[in-house]
Amino acid sequence: KAGVTQTPRYLIKTRGQQVTLSCSPISGHRSVSWYQQTPGQGLQFLFEYFSETQRNKGNFPGRFSGRQFSNSRSEMNVSTLELGDSALYLCASSPGQAGYEQYFGPGTRLTVT
Amino acid sequence: QKEVEQNSGPLSVPEGAIASLNCTYSDRGSQSFFWYRQYSGKSPELIMSIYSNGDKEDGRFTAQLNKASQYVSLLIRDSQPSDSATYLCAVNILLAQYGNKLVFGAGTILRVKS
Repeated sequence: KAGVTQTPRYLIKTRGQQVTLSCSPISGHRSVSWYQQTPGQGLQFLFEYFSETQRNKGNFPGRFSGRQFSNSRSEMNVSTLELGDSALYLCASSPGQAGYEQYFGPGTRLTVT
Repeated sequence: QKEVEQNSGPLSVPEGAIASLNCTYSDRGSQSFFWYRQYSGKSPELIMSIYSNGDKEDGRFTAQLNKASQYVSLLIRDSQPSDSATYLCAVNILLAQYGNKLVFGAGTILRVKS
């Protein structure tokens, strides 16, 4: 089975711009979660989508949003980028039942200048 | 109190030794526990999951869970230089009776010296 894919792998944006990141889960997986990883804060949960609905949300400002499509692919959007948004954004795929294992994609490295 | 706590290390062990990594968590309702390995510049890779009290073995890895003490550990036997990485403990916090939210510890840096 193919693993989780994320595009793009690297991105450089300017403060104030917006960005959209994409994630394709493992075939058959219906849950997609997004995480932000920074050296200072570690890995932090952004949100989880299941069957096109946001099921859970972390403590991030409204500038961070996401969606999921009927084929389980997911996108996350960050508007009005700030320097502090520079991070590795990771997508994780899971079959869907609560508590199951999550498998991470390679991540998107976002740099905001 | 942080939800998931790990000793940041680095933990240095000689090649062939047993590496012991520890993690404590605060949410007594947690039911799912995971260990991820992350090499520098890479994404986390799932290496062990454990759901019940006791030990679970997979090759050179053994995960141990004690829900009463809110403690989970990972033992790596016959440590190899290729095991040098950051090990992340993750606890699934059940929200509103469904869904997933993984809360991660800060990670323990393991260095295996040959």
